[in-house]
Amino acid sequence: AQSVTQLDSQVPVFEEAPVELRCNYSSSVSVYLFWYVQYPNQGLQLLLKYLSGSTLVKGINGFEAEFNKSQTSFHLRKPSVHISDTAEYFCAVIPSINAGGTSYGKLTFGQGTILTVHP
Amino acid sequence: GAGVSQSPSNKVTEKGKDVELRCDPISGHTALYWYRQSLGQGLEFLIYFQGNSAPDKSGLPSDRFSAERTGGSVSTLTIQRTQQEDSAVYLCASSLLSLASTGELFFGEGSRLTVL
Repeated sequence: AQSVTQLDSQVPVFEEAPVELRCNYSSSVSVYLFWYVQYPNQGLQLLLKYLSGSTLVKGINGFEAEFNKSQTSFHLRKPSVHISDTAEYFCAVIPSINAGGTSYGKLTFGQGTILTVHP
Repeated sequence: GAGVSQSPSNKVTEKGKDVELRCDPISGHTALYWYRQSLGQGLEFLIYFQGNSAPDKSGLPSDRFSAERTGGSVSTLTIQRTQQEDSAVYLCASSLLSLASTGELFFGEGSRLTVL
């Protein structure tokens, strides 16, 4: 089984400041990792994902995340945030295919981090 | 529209009543999922459909919860004899099977259920 821990439930920042949203996971097998974002009154949408290859992945809206296998982390970063980045961010995992993972999208999500960007 | 559509967007019901929540996935998406988002609990998986069959119902919290999918399209989640702890946002997602194995799901806006 997998578990995901998002270390901060709320992160307030000022516009144009850098931000890091922390995510740690636990799994006995290799996993794929994801960040989903939920803007106010909208459904979740995929921000970025790590499947294999380069440990630094870039997503939409200038966000990036780095997979660190030794620390079992997948922290999300943005060098300069905008008011429009205010949203709830969810880290998620799924067993990788070569780890005998499910062939469908049964994601395990963290509890979410609410990012609030102040002017 | 081109996205996942859910209805109703908000539902307030009395304890003990039955409720039905509907999901209309993106056309052509074979995989369909229901998740529940409770305050401070993150998202929890409820059930997965591949076509009209549900090979994974492991997340349904009790036998008061059931779901069906017809015509490989619309799905209905039914909660019988609702309890206050059922209050949550119920999210539907769909995906192509080719994307589902790598975790790319498309979510609706959810149905917010409040049980008084």
